[in-house]
Amino acid sequence: GAVVSQHPSRVICKSGTSVKIECRSLDFQATTMFWYRQFPKKSLMLMATSNEGSKATYEQGVEKDKFLINHASLTLSTLTVTSAHPEDSSFYICSARDAGTGGSQPQHFGDGTRLSIL
Amino acid sequence: SQQGEEDPQALSIQEGENATMNCSYKTSINNLQWYRQNSGRGLVHLILIRSNEREKHSGRLRVTLDTSKKSSSLLITASRAADTASYFCAPIIDMRFGAGTRLTVKP
Repeated sequence: GAVVSQHPSRVICKSGTSVKIECRSLDFQATTMFWYRQFPKKSLMLMATSNEGSKATYEQGVEKDKFLINHASLTLSTLTVTSAHPEDSSFYICSARDAGTGGSQPQHFGDGTRLSIL
Repeated sequence: SQQGEEDPQALSIQEGENATMNCSYKTSINNLQWYRQNSGRGLVHLILIRSNEREKHSGRLRVTLDTSKKSSSLLITASRAADTASYFCAPIIDMRFGAGTRLTVKP
């Protein structure tokens, strides 16, 4: 089945550090990937839609300069949390859809990245 | 805004009982999908139901879809402790999720 790999699974770093999270589709190509943020016992909040070869589409209220998204290839999207602060601590999850399915097939999710900013 | 809204928000049952969760959505859809999330993990796809389907089964899972009411339900039969997780629905065209249903199955 389709596999999405997300790395790293956990990051602990100091305030002011920039952190990059990778999302890879291992056995399929993904023109679109999604980035989510999740607080404890809460739902997933869609942050942005990552489009291969073009700019990401950010949800209302999400800072573009804070959360940089790059989707340079059909199998890789990255989310960089710039100058992270404790309030950015959260669980970040990516998902991808197989480009060859015409959008009729489900999303496949990575296992998430738990980011802790000290 | 969230597209899928699940109800109830929390459900606690005994092992062996059935669990029913409901989902409502706002826009017209072509397909609706249900996911499961174990604590601290990503979402796992459970089942996809197309807009021209009214019911779909997969093992112990049964999903219904009522496009006139913009609602869907997920039934888990003969629940097990391992079914303890959060369950979410979302239209496939818009991957925004509701609060989910947190299911606890007590052994």
